[in-house]
Amino acid sequence: EAGVAQSPRYKIIEKRQSVAFWCNPISGHATLYWYQQILGQGPKLLIQFQNNGVVDDSQLPKDRFSAERLKGVDSTLKIQPAKLEDSAVYLCASSLNRIMNTEAFFGQGTRLTVV
Amino acid sequence: GQQVMQIPQYQHVQEGEDFTTYCNSSTTLSNIQWYKQRPGGHPVFLIQLVKSGEVKKQKRLTFQFGEAKKNSSLHITATQTTDVGTYFCAASLYNFNKFYFGSGTKLNVKP
Repeated sequence: EAGVAQSPRYKIIEKRQSVAFWCNPISGHATLYWYQQILGQGPKLLIQFQNNGVVDDSQLPKDRFSAERLKGVDSTLKIQPAKLEDSAVYLCASSLNRIMNTEAFFGQGTRLTVV
Repeated sequence: GQQVMQIPQYQHVQEGEDFTTYCNSSTTLSNIQWYKQRPGGHPVFLIQLVKSGEVKKQKRLTFQFGEAKKNSSLHITATQTTDVGTYFCAASLYNFNKFYFGSGTKLNVKP
């Protein structure tokens, strides 16, 4: 079974520039998550999709971050404009979304450095 | 978001010693998951606990969910160097599909 695919693996941009991350979840997984993990901290949930609908985006800085999941499969997360404090690893995860079976599978992440 | 406190932040042990990390919440949890993240890697699912007082074992790992469903622990017996990494709890308040991660416990095992 293929895992969660993310690209790019690394990205370096200057502050005020834009950046986009892509995620392809495990086939058949209805739930998709984007997490931000700052060095030394736990993953922070940014947004959660159920198919192509947003379930939770309460911690997404909507003035600069946006995300979409067209057709309920792939997803993109965009930051525009980036700030220095956005430097982090951005993790995408997916799960089947069945009661009692919500194990989340994580991708390798995209390490973003804003300079 | 909900507050999920994890302690300790760091733990250094000699190989063969035991290790325990604790996850605490001020509110009752629906369920809790545990993940392990190796240095430079991504979180990998270990277990999910749902029932009050539940205890699950995976070889040298023992997971417990408190009777009040406000805390959980992960205990590793006789640590090995392969146990090195950061252990996170991820807790859900109301349903199974919104999990908030704790700050993690970083385990270092000296051979």
